[in-house]
Amino acid sequence: AQSVTQPDIHITVSEGASLELRCNYSYGATPYLFWYVQSPGQGLQLLLKYFSGDTLVQGIKGFEAEFKRSQSSFNLRKPSVHWSDAAEYFCAVGANTDKLIFGTGTRLQVFP
Amino acid sequence: NAGVTQTPKFRILKIGQSMTLQCTQDMNHNYMYWYRQDPGMGLKLIYYSVGAGITDKGEVPNGYNVSRSTTEDFPLRLELAAPSQTSVYFCASWDGGLRNEKLFFGSGTQLSVL
Repeated sequence: AQSVTQPDIHITVSEGASLELRCNYSYGATPYLFWYVQSPGQGLQLLLKYFSGDTLVQGIKGFEAEFKRSQSSFNLRKPSVHWSDAAEYFCAVGANTDKLIFGTGTRLQVFP
Repeated sequence: NAGVTQTPKFRILKIGQSMTLQCTQDMNHNYMYWYRQDPGMGLKLIYYSVGAGITDKGEVPNGYNVSRSTTEDFPLRLELAAPSQTSVYFCASWDGGLRNEKLFFGSGTQLSVL
């Protein structure tokens, strides 16, 4: 069955610290992988996506993610977190953008 | 450019009442989606449409109906509201092009059924 797992429900980091949000997927074919961010009271905004090619992808707001086929993972990273990064982050997988399967989300809290 | 617009932003319903959540997009996107978001559950697809006149069920369609008479509009109908339908509802659209693999989301409708 196709699925996305985000094992961390809630993560707290200090401002300036590095960040890694985990995402594991189960998918029958080569997946399209996405990370979306949701600020409070807002819809979701695309951070980055992976379709093929270079397994390290760069996104907006200084985020990057690495596709590791052997581990079925697509973890999101940022070297130095800003207070404005506090939000909920969703990993998603699909054959394309159509009918994406979303993970349950990771809520990021940033302390000054 | 307004993007995806959802109305209302908040609504409280009594059990058994009906209502329509409105969604409109001005980007001429063929693909439109309705998701519901529940705490700790992520987003679940309710219904989707690949173009005017075409709709199909997603993962959790029970208790909902949709229509797509125009490219711009994709309303979601709740006929007999139940407490289990208390959730935040998001409408999204996509142009279907491989060069722009991105969903555009509305800002959501928070619905409570009491």
